[in-house]
Amino acid sequence: EAGVTQFPSHSVIEKGQTVTLRCDPISGHDNLYWYRRVMGKEIKFLLHFVKESKQDESGMPNNRFLAERTGGTYSTLKVQPAELEDSGVYFCASSQETWGEAFFGQGTRLTVV
Amino acid sequence: EDQVTQSPEALRLQEGESSSLNCSYTVSGLRGLFWYRQDPGKGPEFLFTLYSAGEEKEKERLKATLTKKESFLHITAPKPEDSATYLCAVRGGSQGNLIFGKGTKLSVKP
Repeated sequence: EAGVTQFPSHSVIEKGQTVTLRCDPISGHDNLYWYRRVMGKEIKFLLHFVKESKQDESGMPNNRFLAERTGGTYSTLKVQPAELEDSGVYFCASSQETWGEAFFGQGTRLTVV
Repeated sequence: EDQVTQSPEALRLQEGESSSLNCSYTVSGLRGLFWYRQDPGKGPEFLFTLYSAGEEKEKERLKATLTKKESFLHITAPKPEDSATYLCAVRGGSQGNLIFGKGTKLSVKP
């Protein structure tokens, strides 16, 4: 069974540009989460989808971040325009049930220069 | 405010030298405490979930325990391949998201 897959693994962009991160969850997992780790800090929650609906987006830092999950399958996280402080590792996780184990992807390392 | 604190930040052990990692937490209505292992450049790898005080789970050289305020990850006779960062996270309240600690970086020398 394939795990959670994220694309790309690394991205380097200039301040002001747009970047789109993609996450393919484990097949059959209705719950999809985005997290972020900035340097020296702990992993922090961004938002939670249940199927195609946003269950909780309380962790989204500002309106430069837009997450979508079309058809309840894969998800994208767009940052537009990117700022220096957006640099970090973005993780996606999925779980079959809301209260079940969450399995993580390998992350996308985003560097904004 | 929900919070997770892990100690120590870093731990160096000799192969075979057993020890424990600590995770102290404050959460409203615990709905699971999770342990993950993370290797450099990779995502967190799920190890255990504990749901209630007194619960214990084991996997190879690892054993996780839970009280009402903290969890311990006991490592028995560690090997160099156990070197990694170990992350603790809690889920509480009415939301499904995890709240993470900063992790403990474990190094096991042969």
